[in-house]
Amino acid sequence: GAGVSQSPSNKVTEKGKDVELRCDPISGHTALYWYRQRLGQGLEFLIYFQGNSAPDKSGLPSDRFSAERTGESVSTLTIQRTQQEDSAVYLCASSLNNYGYTFGSGTRLTVV
Amino acid sequence: GNSVTQMEGPVTLSEEAFLTINCTYTATGYPSLFWYVQYPGEGLQLLLKATKADDKGSNKGFEATYRKETTSFHLEKGSVQVSDSAVYFCALFFYTGGFKTIFGAGTRLFVKA
Repeated sequence: GAGVSQSPSNKVTEKGKDVELRCDPISGHTALYWYRQRLGQGLEFLIYFQGNSAPDKSGLPSDRFSAERTGESVSTLTIQRTQQEDSAVYLCASSLNNYGYTFGSGTRLTVV
Repeated sequence: GNSVTQMEGPVTLSEEAFLTINCTYTATGYPSLFWYVQYPGEGLQLLLKATKADDKGSNKGFEATYRKETTSFHLEKGSVQVSDSAVYFCALFFYTGGFKTIFGAGTRLFVKA
């Protein structure tokens, strides 16, 4: 598609439930990032995929967080046993050459 | 390690005022520097970038110069408009065994008519 698409745009879930967030990058973009943005704060790096290389998972805050990407296509970010502190906007970005990124509009996650 | 520091907001200006949002960084090697903008209810957008020392990035009336001697990349605009109200993020892009981007905390700008 023309841009980075994320779904759902909003998700409200009960504490303890699992959630799955989806990112469709721009076709042909080899690099894909997931970030988290808590209310009033800056972006927090979560994970980075580059082509078929092993992902950089150094930003994942706990083992409840995981992400997958098949080749250079869709990525899913899974949060297990959600906690209230997981409430944030989760942003996905893709890039062709790592100079400048296109961001999706994000998924706003609210854990109640 | 590498880091980015932005001035804290919010910044409140009247229309047509001069804008400066400070950004300083620490980095080894030769990073690239970016400014991103997030308008209300929207995702992040790349505003401008500079890939080497003394480069000036510009877009939509905004400018920033990559100053290696002061490790700064301050964002400026000569005359702001209400439509410039947004959150502005400074970002450092570098390679260390893989490409990485570090974002500043963001500076919220309010422009009053």
